[in-house]
Amino acid sequence: RKEVEQDPGPFNVPEGATVAFNCTYSNSASQSFFWYRQDCRKEPKLLMSVYSSGNEDGRFTAQLNRASQYISLLIRDSKLSDSATYLCVAPPFGGTSYGKLTFGQGTILTVHP
Amino acid sequence: DTGVSQNPRHKITKRGQNVTFRCDPISEHNRLYWYRQTLGQGPEFLTYFQNEAQLEKSRLLSDRFSAERPKGSFSTLEIQRTEQGDSAMYLCASSLVGRGYQETQYFGPGTRLLVL
Repeated sequence: RKEVEQDPGPFNVPEGATVAFNCTYSNSASQSFFWYRQDCRKEPKLLMSVYSSGNEDGRFTAQLNRASQYISLLIRDSKLSDSATYLCVAPPFGGTSYGKLTFGQGTILTVHP
Repeated sequence: DTGVSQNPRHKITKRGQNVTFRCDPISEHNRLYWYRQTLGQGPEFLTYFQNEAQLEKSRLLSDRFSAERPKGSFSTLEIQRTEQGDSAMYLCASSLVGRGYQETQYFGPGTRLLVL
């Protein structure tokens, strides 16, 4: 079983739609989680950090369910510019410094007019 | 530009040749990471340094791969006797740890390697 698993999609949604991605992780020692966004042929960029039960930033909401070991990302009122690959990340250790990051394979989102 | 920089951005080589990539981290960042990403997959960890010390190496890092960070600033990743399976995007990331902050890794634009 992979350490971090995501539905690769692709998700094709119209502008204005709400879309949610799920991610499961296997290492119960993981304490903090991240969502990175990666545009085509570009580097990953941090979108959100999730340290407790959840985090909200504008149209983006990330939630963590430790009992079921999954993280979700909700995007409301989708914009064309949200089209990208969304990478779920679960560092294998807790604390403030994590060392290596373990990435899921990414979920592709395409928002169309 | 004060972000992570990587050179070259693209490299095409023939099987069996050696290649070397360079990464310059964000100034004062004490950790530097190397990842590899193939098409349709997320980045996979290769190795990382804290200052000049190499703290961890992945099993993905075969004997043909070597990384250095001699003065605790820039790093190089060398691949000897390249194979077609080495074709990938090689990503570098840097972070600052040890001051009580939550670590955040910032990625460079990557070096895209194609082995013919």
